[in-house]
Amino acid sequence: GNSVTQMEGPVTLSEEAFLTINCTYTATGYPSLFWYVQYPGEGLQLLLKATKADDKGSNKGFEATYRKETTSFHLEKGSVQVSDSAVYFCALSVYISNDYKLSFGAGTTVTVRA
Amino acid sequence: DGGITQSPKYLFRKEGQNVTLSCEQNLNHDAMYWYRQDPGQGLRLIYYSQIVNDFQKGDIAEGYSVSREKKESFPLTVTSAQKNPTAFYLCASSIRQGHSGEQFFGPGTRLTVL
Repeated sequence: GNSVTQMEGPVTLSEEAFLTINCTYTATGYPSLFWYVQYPGEGLQLLLKATKADDKGSNKGFEATYRKETTSFHLEKGSVQVSDSAVYFCALSVYISNDYKLSFGAGTTVTVRA
Repeated sequence: DGGITQSPKYLFRKEGQNVTLSCEQNLNHDAMYWYRQDPGQGLRLIYYSQIVNDFQKGDIAEGYSVSREKKESFPLTVTSAQKNPTAFYLCASSIRQGHSGEQFFGPGTRLTVL
C-alpha cells in the first residue's frame, strides 16, 4: 500500500539554526509528494510540492527534492525563525480508482526558540 | 477570496447527541474530504465525495455520516454511535482531474464531547 514515514518529533531549535525533517515513502505507481504546515489551532497549508523524480519544491526558504532512488522527500531550511514553529506533515498522492488518494505522515512538531 | 470555511471553530456536545459540522468551499472544486486529527497523529480520512450526490467511506467512517447535495457544501454529522468523537476535524477540497492531487484545507472544527 501507500504510506509515509517521517521523522518523529518534537524538534526544538534555536533561531537561525538549520532544520531538516526526514520523510520516506512507499507507493505504487508515480506519486506526487507534498509538505504541509499546520500552525497552532489552524488547518493545513500547502508548503511545497514535487510531482516527479528530481523535482525540487521550494517556498518561504524551505526546500525538498523528490528522490526516487531513495524514496525520500526530506524538508530543509537553512535558517529558521520563531515564526516557523508549527507541525509539518509529509504527504503523497496517488491516482487510484479515478481519484487521487492522499496519505499523510504522523507529523513533526517543530519549536524554534529566540 | 476563494477558500474553504468550516463552522463552528469550537463545538461542545453532550454524550448521546448528534452534531453536524459545516464545510463550504467557493473554489469550484469537484472533490471534498473530511479528516479527523488526534493529538500527535496524522490525518485519517472519514468520508470523501467526488461529485454531487455521491460519496464514499474512508478509513474510519463508522459513527459518521455525510451528504453532498450541493457542489459547495459537504456537511459531516458525528452521531452518537461514534465511540470517541473528541478530535479536530478538517475539511478539504481538490480539483478532481488533471492535477497532482493537491488538497486545500479549511481552518478546522474542534469538537469536544462533555
